[in-house]
Amino acid sequence: EVQLVESGGGLVQPGGSLRLSCAASGFTFNNHWMSWVRQAPGKGLEWVANIKQDRSEKYYVDSVKGRFTISRDNAKNSLYLQMNSLRAEDTAVYYCARERKEGGGFDPWGQGTLVIVSS
Amino acid sequence: QSVLTQPPSASGTPGQRVTISCSGSSSNIGNNYVYWYQQLPGTAPKLLIYRNNQRPSGVPDRFSGSKSGTSASLAVSGLRSEDEADYYCVAWDDSRSGWVFGGGTTLTVL
Repeated sequence: EVQLVESGGGLVQPGGSLRLSCAASGFTFNNHWMSWVRQAPGKGLEWVANIKQDRSEKYYVDSVKGRFTISRDNAKNSLYLQMNSLRAEDTAVYYCARERKEGGGFDPWGQGTLVIVSS
Repeated sequence: QSVLTQPPSASGTPGQRVTISCSGSSSNIGNNYVYWYQQLPGTAPKLLIYRNNQRPSGVPDRFSGSKSGTSASLAVSGLRSEDEADYYCVAWDDSRSGWVFGGGTTLTVL
């Protein structure tokens, strides 16, 4: 079964840091682009960042550039999101998602991990 | 303010056909594929339509997608109570070098 499991969320103060992880299983991880997508409480979805299979390309939404870093470890079938200089507006459920090789699209998604930035 | 524009809400009665629009620009919808996602309450989103009008296996043919120019739409026919959910359109944006989402449409079955 194709599965993505996020971890690492929690409560952090403004200006603090947090590292999210996403463990992948059931598919060949290094064959796929991977993305992080977030959803603030009661709001819509927002794509955050993605990374190519060999880590040679990474893209970010403007609001997190210079603060967030996406990375992956293909040997561990894992995706990461290092979040620094966190702001209240970064409060959200963070989902990791596989970008399908054939046809595109995010599928599947993990269950999400909640990040709360508050003092 | 989302890059792709969707109506915040849509509704219909059981059995009806409902369409949800998604408006963008030449840098996103006009030049790239559109994808649609369904998010049931309290769950992660699910891929509903890929490459404008293709359904992944397991998605009922009551769901269909189309694209014309810089706009796209999702149609749900034979509306059922379990279709109550939030629906999002997505496309790659060449100017932003990133994926852009619509603001989402909440579909209510009356």
